[in-house]
Amino acid sequence: DQQVKQNSPSLSVQEGRISILNCDYTNSMFDYFLWYKKYPAEGPTFLISISSIKDKNEDGRFTVFLNKSAKHLSLHIVPSQPGDSAVYFCAANPHNTNAGKSTFGDGTTLTVKP
Amino acid sequence: DVKVTQSSRYLVKRTGEKVFLECVQDMDHENMFWYRQDPGLGLRLIYFSYDVKMKEKGDIPEGYSVSREKKERFSLILESASTNQTSMYLCASSFSGSGTNIQYFGAGTRLSVL
Repeated sequence: DQQVKQNSPSLSVQEGRISILNCDYTNSMFDYFLWYKKYPAEGPTFLISISSIKDKNEDGRFTVFLNKSAKHLSLHIVPSQPGDSAVYFCAANPHNTNAGKSTFGDGTTLTVKP
Repeated sequence: DVKVTQSSRYLVKRTGEKVFLECVQDMDHENMFWYRQDPGLGLRLIYFSYDVKMKEKGDIPEGYSVSREKKERFSLILESASTNQTSMYLCASSFSGSGTNIQYFGAGTRLSVL
């Protein structure tokens, strides 16, 4: 049973437009959510996160929205740039995870065309 | 900056060989993780460790073992490599007390088992 799902394996957008990456989860015990970005031949790097007590967190061009009732979160990138082309992983942490164990989605490959 | 170093970027091994993948982090993090990344399957957790000499199985531990004799070093061992263990292996670490459990990843080791 996959607890964190990214249903779109890939997304292609034009430079300057908005990119919206989606993530759904099933476990109600998840209370902290993170997005990581991964370039080829590199490890993932942390991008932005949100706690379940919030519904929005913004950092520059990146905004994460959380809809707890729908168990859905999304990452908005505005405006998209060619350098944003990468694989984006959504991750979720359960409450009181002392070991820091996250559950990751399968990833969405974003391509931003110049 | 947190640095997670994986000893090899590329490895080619023969079926049946014993393989060691080494990972070192320099931030005194309590938690360390080993994942494998395969196309369409995202990041799958093999093993993790929340303290020296402590380890727990992740989602796909079969065919792997781990060792954590020192806090900064976490080793992944393939006792008898098989072709289905050809993959990208990623090591990560995180600080236990942060509440956010952001993971910091190494650059990855691409292992080919022939």
